[in-house]
Amino acid sequence: GEDVEQSLFLSVREGDSSVINCTYTDSSSTYLYWYKQEPGAGLQLLTYIFSNMDMKQDQRLTVLLNKKDKHLSLRIADTQTGDSAIYFCAEIGDSNYQLIWGAGTKLIIKP
Amino acid sequence: NAGVTQTPKFRILKIGQSMTLQCAQDMNHNYMYWYRQDPGMGLKLIYYSVGAGITDKGEVPNGYNVSRSTTEDFPLRLELAAPSQTSVYFCASRPGGSETQYFGPGTRLLVL
Repeated sequence: GEDVEQSLFLSVREGDSSVINCTYTDSSSTYLYWYKQEPGAGLQLLTYIFSNMDMKQDQRLTVLLNKKDKHLSLRIADTQTGDSAIYFCAEIGDSNYQLIWGAGTKLIIKP
Repeated sequence: NAGVTQTPKFRILKIGQSMTLQCAQDMNHNYMYWYRQDPGMGLKLIYYSVGAGITDKGEVPNGYNVSRSTTEDFPLRLELAAPSQTSVYFCASRPGGSETQYFGPGTRLLVL
């Protein structure tokens, strides 16, 4: 079946940029998402990108998509303590009903 | 709009007990979903619905049942709770024509 892989942890210093990576196997992927989950909270949609785009920028967030390598990344500029959370990558393909989720990357901010 | 609401927030069940996790949305979304989230794992789809009266199994449906009698409500039923069902359960919805899902705050379930 289809799969989405992420590293489980990323540690960065406050003020640095964070880059969270994700790889996927579904060649028919149409939308790719980044969700944020703060401790004890539900999932919040951060941003998404269509598969026919290779970059999307939204304030401090930059999403890069390399469709050939099936690689998605989320860059957070000027990382703040409020960015501490688990970041989930997800994709949806031709099935059009089921999101395939990564296990989540826990972003740890060092002072 | 309240968005997607879930009740209860937290529940402890004994093995073999039954319960219903409630999910409601006030956005008139056709599509609704139930996921479970286990520690260190991504979300797994339990059941989904494309509209009132229509439901279908996701990736991990065993031990669960759903119904969708109205557009707003999508309850998830556990008939005979097992320790393997200890998890955090998320309900989500999305409108037709959009791929963006909106999530509820989750229900933490502990089966002892």
